[in-house]
Amino acid sequence: DAGVTQSPTHLIKTRGQQVTLRCSPISGHKSVSWYQQVLGQGPQFIFQYYEKEERGRGNFPDRFSARQFPNYSSELNVNALLLGDSALYLCASRTGTGKVELFFGSGTQLSVL
Amino acid sequence: ELKVEQNPLFLSMQEGKNYTIYCNYSTTSDRLYWYRQDPGKSLESLFVLLSNGAVKQEGRLMASLDTKARLSTLHITAAVHDLSATYFCAVDSNYQLIWGAGTKLIIKP
Repeated sequence: DAGVTQSPTHLIKTRGQQVTLRCSPISGHKSVSWYQQVLGQGPQFIFQYYEKEERGRGNFPDRFSARQFPNYSSELNVNALLLGDSALYLCASRTGTGKVELFFGSGTQLSVL
Repeated sequence: ELKVEQNPLFLSMQEGKNYTIYCNYSTTSDRLYWYRQDPGKSLESLFVLLSNGAVKQEGRLMASLDTKARLSTLHITAAVHDLSATYFCAVDSNYQLIWGAGTKLIIKP
């Protein structure tokens, strides 16, 4: 079975641009979460979606938005990119909000120049 | 606000030695995770600890949880070079994981 898949793997953008990152969860997993990991730090929670509804949001500005589709895949959008948005963006899935194990994708490395 | 603190943040050790990484958290939680991350890679799940006194072992790694002390440990036995990586603990807080800063482990031959 395929794991959590993310695309693209790498992305280079300039300040002020917009970016969309994509995530496909493991088959059967209905919960998707997004994390931002800046180099040298632990991941920071951005969003969680379950059954297409937002269940949680971290301390990120409104420039960050996300959605989940009927097939449980998800997109993370970031508008008006700043240099500080450069990071590894990780998507994770689990079967449900009350389930234990969280599986991570390989991430999208975003560089903002 | 839930906080997770790991120590040490950096650890350089010789092969064959034993060492422990500590993870303290500030409020009650019933789930504690340990992950491994290699440079430029994603997060690999090592252990999920669900109850007080839980102990799990995989190869040279053993994790334990003391919910009363709000402390988890990751013990490395007879370290080998392949265990060089950054190790994170994370605490489940409702819909999100709160992460420690990570412990960068370098094991020298």
